[in-house]
Amino acid sequence: QVQLQQWGAGLLKPSETLSLTCAVYGGSLSGYFWSWIRQPPGKGLEWIGEIIHSGSINYSPSLKSRVTISVDTSKNQFSLKLTSVTAADTAVYYCARGSYGGNSADYWGQGTLVTVSS
Amino acid sequence: QTVVTQEPSLTVSPGGTVTLTCASSTGAVTSGYYPNWFQQKPGQAPRALIYNTNNKHSWTPARFSGSLLGDKAALTLSGVQPEDEAEYYCLLYHGGTQFWVFGGGTKLTVL
Repeated sequence: QVQLQQWGAGLLKPSETLSLTCAVYGGSLSGYFWSWIRQPPGKGLEWIGEIIHSGSINYSPSLKSRVTISVDTSKNQFSLKLTSVTAADTAVYYCARGSYGGNSADYWGQGTLVTVSS
Repeated sequence: QTVVTQEPSLTVSPGGTVTLTCASSTGAVTSGYYPNWFQQKPGQAPRALIYNTNNKHSWTPARFSGSLLGDKAALTLSGVQPEDEAEYYCLLYHGGTQFWVFGGGTKLTVL
C-alpha cells in the first residue's frame, strides 16, 4: 500500500521561501508522476505542478516563475519550493502520485497547512 | 487563463441519481482532457474517484461513474447514500500547455 508522508515549515513571513518534502513509502518513484496541489482555507483545489521520474516537469502557468519541484531518488522523496511567498500563498499543500493513462492523483499525502503572515 | 466550471451546488435525495458536470473555457471536453474526479469531505484530503473519463480506482464504489456528456465531463452518482455528501472536484488536462486545472468544486447535499 503506497503512503505519502509530507512535512515542512508551517509558518512563513512574506518574501520567504516555502519548502515542503513528501516521502513515498511502499512504492518506487520510478514510472509515476509526482504532484503538488494546494487549497486555500475555505476554497477550492489548485494544481501547482508535477514531475515525472524521467525528469520532465510541468508547472501551473500562474505559479511557474516561483515554483520548483524536484526529486531525490536516493531518499524516495520529492520536494516543492515556492519563492517570494505572500498571504495569498496561505493554504493546505498536498503531495500526490499520478500515473500514465490519465490518472492525475490517486494517492495523496495528509496535507500541510502553510500560513504566511508577518 | 483557463477556467474549469462546475455547478456550485446540487441537492439530491437519498437513493436518487445526480449528475455533476465539468466544462472548460478552452472548448468541448474530450477524452484527451483525461477528466479526473475527486471527493473531499471536511477536514480530509481529497479522495480520487475516477480517472481518464470513466476509469474507477479499486476503492471507488460502483455507484460512481464517469462519462462525457455533450461538451462536458460528467460524474454520475446512482443510488446516492448519505455518506456521499461532500465537495466534488473535477480536474482536466490541457495538453497544449501541459498542465492540469481543477474545477471550482460542486457541493453535493444529500437531503
